[in-house]
Amino acid sequence: DIVMTQSPDSLAVSLGERATINCKSSQSVLYSSNNKNYLAWYQQKPGQPPKLLIYWASTRESGVPDRFSGSGSGTDFTLTISSLQAEDVAVYYCQQYYSTPQVTFGPGTKVDIK
Amino acid sequence: QVQLVESGGGVVQPGRSLRLSCAASGFTFSSYGMHWVRQAPGKGLEWVAVIWYDGSNKYYADSVKGRFTISRDNSKNTLYLQMNSLRAEDTAVYYCARDSQTTPALWYFDLWGRGTLVTVSS
Repeated sequence: DIVMTQSPDSLAVSLGERATINCKSSQSVLYSSNNKNYLAWYQQKPGQPPKLLIYWASTRESGVPDRFSGSGSGTDFTLTISSLQAEDVAVYYCQQYYSTPQVTFGPGTKVDIK
Repeated sequence: QVQLVESGGGVVQPGRSLRLSCAASGFTFSSYGMHWVRQAPGKGLEWVAVIWYDGSNKYYADSVKGRFTISRDNSKNTLYLQMNSLRAEDTAVYYCARDSQTTPALWYFDLWGRGTLVTVSS
């Protein structure tokens, strides 16, 4: 199975400041035949189900604010919140869907307001 | 509106069985692969099982293989998870989730239910 790791475990950012979350996979999730990274990001607010933010490592889901962006390729990925808002307090998970059926999630990164 | 609503959770003793349901509405259920994903209390997300849009293929996480069975009834727009031989480590909120694409499945999830809690305890 592909093991996903995330850093940091948690971070606190001032309102309006940038938040950066890292995700690393134990093997590449870049599919060479279509040059796509099989990596998604989810946001989970307290007491709510996860919500899809980003897929193909950098494509924003419809309706997701453009302050959320994804980048990276191969084994190293980043989710950036360019200007943190109060409603962004949540746990963020990355997920690889390259190795099916055993798709795997990262352990999560908790984002709070400083 | 487009939604998934899980039901059937509860407290069950180790070794017993439970069946979860997930009612879909607002979209063409029979066109999408469907997944179960679980989350132990205070923990991260774990994919559990998937079923193809037509029920032709099913896959399971190693942790539940041989104990859990995923199924669907497209005439009732409902997904199921039959859980047998339950263990304490199966305690979790179980979410049903829609695959992001009709076919072929892409194995990331664009619609989630609110989940149903399963507690395995004597």
